[in-house]
Amino acid sequence: GQQLNQSPQSMFIQEGEDVSMNCTSSSIFNTWLWYKQEPGEGPVLLIALYKAGELTSNGRLTAQFGITRKDSFLNISASIPSDVGIYFCAGRDNYGQNFVFGPGTRLSVLP
Amino acid sequence: EAGVVQSPRYKIIEKKQPVAFWCNPISGHNTLYWYRQNLGQGPELLIRYENEEAVDDSQLPKDRFSAERLKGVDSTLKIQPAELGDSAVYLCASSPEVDFEAFFGQGTRLTVV
Repeated sequence: GQQLNQSPQSMFIQEGEDVSMNCTSSSIFNTWLWYKQEPGEGPVLLIALYKAGELTSNGRLTAQFGITRKDSFLNISASIPSDVGIYFCAGRDNYGQNFVFGPGTRLSVLP
Repeated sequence: EAGVVQSPRYKIIEKKQPVAFWCNPISGHNTLYWYRQNLGQGPELLIRYENEEAVDDSQLPKDRFSAERLKGVDSTLKIQPAELGDSAVYLCASSPEVDFEAFFGQGTRLTVV
C-alpha cells in the first residue's frame, strides 16, 4: 500500500530558530494535510493543501504542495516552546478516499 | 462548535476481555473514521463510515474487531477478545464529506495486560 516518509524523524532546535520538515510519497497525491499532535491528545489539523504548487500559511506555519505532487513541506518560523510536538503529514491520491499518514517528525524546542 | 468527543480517555483491561470505545462526531459530519495509533507511529485507518454505512473496513481485523454507527451519528468500536498487541491509542475522526479534511478526537488509550 501507500507509504509516506517524513524527514527528519526528530529534531532539536533552539527557541527562535526556523524549522523545515518534509513528507514524500511514492505515489502522486491530490491532497496533503499537516497535523500536530501533543502528548495525550489527538492530532490537530494545521494546514490543508489541494493543488500542486500551492503555498498556504497559518500564522508562523507555512506549507507547500510540491509541484511533483509526491511531496509536501512544512516550515515553522521563529519557533517557540509551544511548538513542541509530533508533526504528521497525511496524503490522499486520486484513487483512494482515505488519508495515509506518515510516521511523524518529533520537534523539541530548547529554551 | 463542539469537537469530536471520545470516551473513555483511558482503559486498562486484561487480555481476553472485551472492550468498547465510543465516539460522537462533530454535528453534521457525515464521514466518520476510526484509526489506531501505535506508539511512535502515525494513525492507521481501521474503518470509514459514510453516514451509517461502513464503506471501507478492509483494515479492520474482523475476527475480533467490530464497529457500528447506528443512525449515522455516534459510533462504537469493540474488541472481543482483546490481545496484548491491541494496546494502542484509538482515534476517532470526522469530516463533513469524504473529500474534506478530518478532525480528530482526543483518543482512547488502551492498555491490555
